[in-house]
Amino acid sequence: NAGVTQTPKFQVLKTGQSMTLQCAQDMNHEYMSWYRQDPGMGLRLIHYSVGAGITDQGEVPNGYNVSRSTTEDFPLRLLSAAPSQTSVYFCASSFGQGLVNTEAFFGQGTRLTVV
Amino acid sequence: DAKTTQPNSMESNEEEPVHLPCNHSTISGTDYIHWYRQLPSQGPEYVIHGLTSNVNNRMASLAIAEDRKSSTLILHRATLRDAAVYYCIRRGGNKLVFGAGTILRVKS
Repeated sequence: NAGVTQTPKFQVLKTGQSMTLQCAQDMNHEYMSWYRQDPGMGLRLIHYSVGAGITDQGEVPNGYNVSRSTTEDFPLRLLSAAPSQTSVYFCASSFGQGLVNTEAFFGQGTRLTVV
Repeated sequence: DAKTTQPNSMESNEEEPVHLPCNHSTISGTDYIHWYRQLPSQGPEYVIHGLTSNVNNRMASLAIAEDRKSSTLILHRATLRDAAVYYCIRRGGNKLVFGAGTILRVKS
């Protein structure tokens, strides 16, 4: 099983550029989410989705867009990159729509630098 | 979802048990307690979760206080590979909200 796959692993952007971070899972999970992790800090939730066509905001949604057209994919779009978005981004998935009794699976992360 | 309270760091000797505490004094009756850990340069990985009773799996044990306001993750024999950041999370809805976690250092 591939699990949760994130691409790319590393990316450097110039301020103002846009890009899409890809996340795919092959476990037929309904729930998917995006986090960012800054140095020395825990993960902060950006956006999440409880199923295809349904998304919602987390703690730090500004500057990011998401959509969920299929169960497998949950891309994260940076509309106009800013240095404050330099971070490591993690995608996660789990069974259930808000079920609390399930484990989440995380990707290996995308390290993004905005110069 | 309110975050939990954990010590910033702890240290253990290899092959000895480790008890990682977590306070969640405002927990509601339906919130589960989840533990994840993050090894250097990796994504978080699931460790264990529970609601009221103590739980055991191949990785660890979870002891939940009777009033559910605190819990303890128990690693029975720490190894160098257990050195990581351990996150205690209160999960009551669609969000898995992380705090700063506890940095566990294991000495050989």
